[in-house]
Amino acid sequence: EAQVTQNPRYLITVTGKKLTVTCSQNMNHEYMSWYRQDPGLGLRQIYYSMNVEVTDKGDVPEGYKVSRKEKRNFPLILESPSPNQTSLYFCASSSTGLEQYFGPGTRLTVT
Amino acid sequence: AQKVTQAQTEISVVEKEDVTLDCVYETRDTTYYLFWYKQPPSGELVFLIRRNSFDEQNEISGRYSWNFQKSTSSFNFTITASQVVDSAVYFCALSEEGSNYQLIWGAGTKLIIKP
Repeated sequence: EAQVTQNPRYLITVTGKKLTVTCSQNMNHEYMSWYRQDPGLGLRQIYYSMNVEVTDKGDVPEGYKVSRKEKRNFPLILESPSPNQTSLYFCASSSTGLEQYFGPGTRLTVT
Repeated sequence: AQKVTQAQTEISVVEKEDVTLDCVYETRDTTYYLFWYKQPPSGELVFLIRRNSFDEQNEISGRYSWNFQKSTSSFNFTITASQVVDSAVYFCALSEEGSNYQLIWGAGTKLIIKP
């Protein structure tokens, strides 16, 4: 089944404890992206990647890192999470960059 | 600047009624793409449709239809004979050519279908 998977789906952590949210797609898509969704602020792009080893900042990259060493994986790294990074995170992939297919979301709480 | 406006924050209708969700966009580009996504209560984001700026044909898919009008910069979404399973938040989004596929999202319309 063609899909985008994210792990973990739910995570509660403490300020400053490094964490990684994994994202994997099995559709051989070149384009991948990370978003966060917050009430009242909608969906905002964090980082995106046009292909392996090519990543670029979105609208809200501060406090996040990404890497794209393989086509299928695009992990999101929070080196030192803070409470303002509490959010619902989505990974997406696309073959054309146009219609993007989203993972199930990761709900992160930073205390 | 590019912008997507979904003026209806929440719509509530009774099952089997028709309902239209409005989307108005702003862009200076002549080539752009419009999208609708659905976010059911379970939280995932589901792609529904993409429309290219050079294709103004309306689209119908089962009970769903989309009306794209460049003259009014609108891309409205109609659900015919609504069902409870249609209850969700619906997002309209815009992507401009040359923007590295960045999506500009509307704020979403929460649709409640009452049985």
